[in-house]
Amino acid sequence: DIQLTQSPSFLSASVGDRVTITCRASQGINNYLAWYQQKPGKAPELLIYAASTLQSGVPSRFSGSGSGTEFTLTISSLQPEDFATYYCQQLNSYPRTFGQGTKVEIK
Amino acid sequence: EVQLLESGGGLVQPGGSLRLSCAASGFTFNYYAMSWVRQAPGKGLEWVSAIGGGGTDTYYADSVKGRFTISRDNSKKTLHLQMDSLRVEDTAVYYCAKDSRGYNSPVDYWGQGTPVSVSS
Repeated sequence: DIQLTQSPSFLSASVGDRVTITCRASQGINNYLAWYQQKPGKAPELLIYAASTLQSGVPSRFSGSGSGTEFTLTISSLQPEDFATYYCQQLNSYPRTFGQGTKVEIK
Repeated sequence: EVQLLESGGGLVQPGGSLRLSCAASGFTFNYYAMSWVRQAPGKGLEWVSAIGGGGTDTYYADSVKGRFTISRDNSKKTLHLQMDSLRVEDTAVYYCAKDSRGYNSPVDYWGQGTPVSVSS
């Protein structure tokens, strides 16, 4: 099975900060990676798929990059509504594993 | 509007069974693979199982293989997860999820989740 490791697991940042989250895969997954945002008590929401394609309706301050085994999610200017937990998921093969999550909190 | 409505969660003793259902609407159900994803209290997301649009291709996480069975009734636009031999560690909120089109596609819609608690 493909393992995904996110870093950091926890991130403290201020409104307006640029934030980068990394997701590393245990083997190459081409660009078959998605990012989700989850707020407490809510279902996750899709932000980015195919490593860098923004889901419809997602603000352009979110961007993704990477291919193979290393991927990043960047928030160019953190907004109050962006404080949440972020997960990567590999879509290369089954089982469709998730990273352990990165919680973004207000500094 | 896509809607996914889960039901069937609840409290069950270890070794027991539960059958989760997910009623789908707002899209052509048989065109899309569907998945179950769970989240234990205070923990991250765990992919559980998926089924192709036609219902013949099924996939499972190692943690549930042999105990859980995913199925779908395309005529009723309903997804199911039969959970047998339940363990304490299966306690979680279970989300029904619609995959986008294509084999390597992400989940683009989620249900609100149904809680499952396995405890004696």
